Amino acid sequence: AQKITQTQPGMFVQEKEAVTLDCTYDTSDPSYGLFWYKQPSSGEMIFLIYQGSYDQQNATEGRYSLNFQKARKSANLVISASQLGDSAMYFCAMRAMNTNAGKSTFGDGTTLTVKP
Amino acid sequence: NAGVTQTPKFQVLKTGQSMTLQCAQDMNHEYMSWYRQDPGMGLRLIHYSVGAGITDQGEVPNGYNVSRSTTEDFPLRLLSAAPSQTSVYFCASSYSAINEQFFGPGTRLTVL
Repeated sequence: AQKITQTQPGMFVQEKEAVTLDCTYDTSDPSYGLFWYKQPSSGEMIFLIYQGSYDQQNATEGRYSLNFQKARKSANLVISASQLGDSAMYFCAMRAMNTNAGKSTFGDGTTLTVKP
Repeated sequence: NAGVTQTPKFQVLKTGQSMTLQCAQDMNHEYMSWYRQDPGMGLRLIHYSVGAGITDQGEVPNGYNVSRSTTEDFPLRLLSAAPSQTSVYFCASSYSAINEQFFGPGTRLTVL
């Protein structure tokens, strides 16, 4: 079974500052992928970043980086230099790669508000 | 490319009615999934497919059926609608399990 836990229902950050959104996971699958998605108030789902369980280096995509600590089963999203447009709901998700490949589990999300 | 399309965008049903939510993608993706999102919550997996003719249950499959006769289409059938099925339904597709999912715009369903 897969489980994703996001313990921060809401977060506030000042514009231009960095913020970390927490995500911990649990799985019995030895091979898996971790994803972060953004959902603005308009409702669409936008992919941000991906980390494979066997990747040695932390993933980065522009202002987004994923702090992957496999032993602690955490995959935190770091957003640098926050912008007003970053205000949205953020979801951490896991996807199995071997058993039940393609089966996804999402966390309950963190609502990020960027203050001017 | 149109990406992932879903129809209808909005739907109101009465308890006990049945209907099919349509999902299509034009990216030749093998993996497709259906999710529901209740207010203030994350996405919960209903059913998913790893290719034409192959489907499997997700976390909340009861009350829903799927089939995948073509790579492009993955319809979701509500057998007998209940108020508990009031939600926003998202369809998503991906090239493989290690690739990101592309989401449709969602269908907002209300069951009275």
